Amino acid sequence: QKEVEQDPGPLSVPEGAIVSLNCTYSNSAFQYFMWYRQYSRKGPELLMYTYSSGNKEDGRFTAQVDKSSKYISLFIRDSQPSDSATYLCAMSEKGAQKLVFGQGTRLTINP
Amino acid sequence: DGGITQSPKYLFRKEGQNVTLSCEQNLNHDAMYWYRQDPGQGLRLIYYSQIVNDFQKGDIAEGYSVSREKKESFPLTVTSAQKNPTAFYLCASSTRGLFTGELFFGEGSRLTVL
Repeated sequence: QKEVEQDPGPLSVPEGAIVSLNCTYSNSAFQYFMWYRQYSRKGPELLMYTYSSGNKEDGRFTAQVDKSSKYISLFIRDSQPSDSATYLCAMSEKGAQKLVFGQGTRLTINP
Repeated sequence: DGGITQSPKYLFRKEGQNVTLSCEQNLNHDAMYWYRQDPGQGLRLIYYSQIVNDFQKGDIAEGYSVSREKKESFPLTVTSAQKNPTAFYLCASSTRGLFTGELFFGEGSRLTVL
């Protein structure tokens, strides 16, 4: 079993829809949770970062962490074609110097 | 502009040949990383270095080698011992110390073995 599980998709939704992306994990020591966005043929870039449990909002994006269920989510409101990308969840333990990534979900927003 | 530069962007190699991928950063970051990305498998850590002249194996180090002689540079050699080297390789860097999870990535190098 992988330490971090993420449905690779692909996921295709119409423009304006609310998108929900999720990851589950097995390591209860994870404390830092991130979402990276990767456009085709590019390197990933950090989109959202959360420490421990709770919600964090940034514009149209909301990240949620539920440590009791070992489950994290990224919500995208009013999705745009420019949101079409692969979204990777990533996690690390406190004091660790490396991240563990999920498989990435490929998302397409159709105009 | 500060960032990470990877070269070459595309590389073709014959079986049995070693190849070296370049990674240079001007962000003054102490830590640097090499990841491999395959379809449906996310990013897997090959090697990382937290300081000059020191590096550690990641989860899939077999068939790869690295060096860290300068803070700015962290080249990766894909050796002939790597059984399935065709992949997208990503270099990243971060600040050392309290690690908050922000990695800065280069644009990647796509290696194809013929």
